[in-house]
Order: sequence, then structure tokens, then C-alpha cells
Amino acid sequence: QKEVEQNSGPLSVPEGAIASLNCTYSDRVSQSFFWYRQYSGKSPELIMSIYSNGDKEDGRFTAQLNKASQYVSLLIRDSQPSDSATYLCAVTNAGKSTFGDGTTLTVKP
Amino acid sequence: GAVVSQHPSRVICKSGTSVKIECRSLDFQATTMFWYRQFPKQSLMLMATSNEGSKATYEQGVEKDKFLINHASLTLSTLTVTSAHPEDSSFYICSAPRDGFNTEAFFGQGTRLTVV
Repeated sequence: QKEVEQNSGPLSVPEGAIASLNCTYSDRVSQSFFWYRQYSGKSPELIMSIYSNGDKEDGRFTAQLNKASQYVSLLIRDSQPSDSATYLCAVTNAGKSTFGDGTTLTVKP
Repeated sequence: GAVVSQHPSRVICKSGTSVKIECRSLDFQATTMFWYRQFPKQSLMLMATSNEGSKATYEQGVEKDKFLINHASLTLSTLTVTSAHPEDSSFYICSAPRDGFNTEAFFGQGTRLTVV
């Protein structure tokens, strides 16, 4: 079992729809969770961080964390073509980040 | 946000030569930096943890004599790929946490290494 698993893609949604990205992790003591967006050939950039159970909203993005289920998700509302990228889920313990394989999202105009 | 600068962004080298990649934190001090490698259509794999003033910690399977890491100051870590071979061709990325060990990491721009 991988330490961080993301739902397999690619994921395609029409412009204006909600995109839902999911991630599970295996280390129950994990404390810090992040979503990064990576465009092809570029480095990842931080989208959201979440540390406690529940929802965290930032603009069109909502991160959800459920530590009991070892599950973290990212919702993108009103998806735009510019949101098309690979989204990486990362779990950090003792400073080390473990990344999922990523989910590639395509938003079609 | 914090800025981490990585240089060069792209390098092509001949097999058997060495390549040095620099990672600088521009507006904060980074006692710890991380080096990742990413092959096409794969995720980031941690190679090593760079610690200012001490030896780097390498992940299992990463050759420390091949991937030399130096973290001589609080703002600079370097990764040297020695005796590079075509299989070392990859995207190398550094990162540094600014506000604490388990906070978000700020990534450098990445270095695309091609060994011919």
C-alpha cells in the first residue's frame, strides 16, 4: 500500500462545474496535509494547507480533512480552464513530505 | 509568499561529467531543505534532507556518493550529480519549509537535467 494514494485520473469536468479530488494516507499520526498544483514542466505550487479535521475554504477551493478515515479532499468550485493541471496531495511528518502520484484535471471550456 | 530560487532551470551535460544545482531561500533562513526528483508522469520522490552545518540524510536507495549535498549556509543548499549518466536525466526540485518543520514547503523552480 502506498503511503499517499490519490484517485486515479485523468479527471475531466466542464467549465463551471465542481472538481473533486481525493486522497488517502496510511500513517495515522500524520499532522499536516497539503494540496499542490503542478503545471507541466513546472514546480508544484501550494493551493491549500489543512491541519485539523473539517473544512477549510479559500476562494473557489475547499479542503476537507477526516483524520479518523485518513482522508483528505480538495473541491474546486466553478472550475476554470486555467485550473487544468496535476494536483498533488502531500502529507508531512517530521518535516518530510510524501506525495501522492497526482491527479490530472482537465477543465473543458 | 516565501521565495526559493533554484538554478539552473535547465542543463544538458555529457555522460560522465558532474552538474551542480543551487537552491537558495531568498527571504528566509532555511536550516533544512529537501531535494526531490521527478521522472515524467510520476510524483516527486524525496532524495535527501539537507541540514545546514551537518551531513545530509539520504533516503533509501539514493547513492550519497553520487548525489553530493552541501548546505553551507542558512540560505543555500547545493546538489551535485557526479559522473552523470543518462538514467540520471530527470527534473530535480528543492524545497524548504519557512515557518516550521511541518508547515508547507516552498519549492524552487526545478532543474531539468538531460544527460547525453
